[in-house]
Amino acid sequence: RKEVEQDPGPFNVPEGATVAFNCTYSNSASQSFFWYRQDCRKEPKLLMSVYSSGNEDGRFTAQLNRASQYISLLIRDSKLSDSATYLCVVTPNTGNQFYFGTGTSLTVIP
Amino acid sequence: GAVVSQHPSWVICKSGTSVKIECRSLDFQATTMFWYRQFPKQSLMLMATSNEGSKATYEQGVEKDKFLINHASLTLSTLTVTSAHPEDSSFYICSASPGAGDEQFFGPGTRLTVL
Repeated sequence: RKEVEQDPGPFNVPEGATVAFNCTYSNSASQSFFWYRQDCRKEPKLLMSVYSSGNEDGRFTAQLNRASQYISLLIRDSKLSDSATYLCVVTPNTGNQFYFGTGTSLTVIP
Repeated sequence: GAVVSQHPSWVICKSGTSVKIECRSLDFQATTMFWYRQFPKQSLMLMATSNEGSKATYEQGVEKDKFLINHASLTLSTLTVTSAHPEDSSFYICSASPGAGDEQFFGPGTRLTVL
């Protein structure tokens, strides 16, 4: 079983729509969680960390569900510039190993 | 935020030559750096984890004699692709983390094309 699993999509949504991605992880002892964004032919960039209580940054909301072992990313009022691949990242409770999901492709359509 | 640089950003070489890629953390010390490879339309694939002053830890299926990693200081790690072949053509990305469990900061990547 993979450490991290994501629906690869693609998700094609109209401008202004709300879209949500989920990512499941297999190690119940995982400690840190992140969402990264990767544009085509560019390096991944940190979008936001995911905290136990959930956190929001503008139009983006991240949540963690430890009981069901998944994290989610909600994007409200989608913009064309949100089109990218979104990667979830999970780290175990020891060491520096990061486990990446395969990424979810989002295209926001005018 | 923390800045990680990579050099070169683009390299084209003939089959059989070796290519060295540098990864530097510019404004923080990175005990650990990571090397990834990404083929078109695929996810990042971790190649190896590099700790300053010690041997790198390679992922299964990654040849350590083919991909030489040196982490000489807390701000510099190098990846050398030895005797490169066309199948080694890929996007190589490094990342650095200030500490265990902290987010990774990625370099801009190096696009390698082997003719």
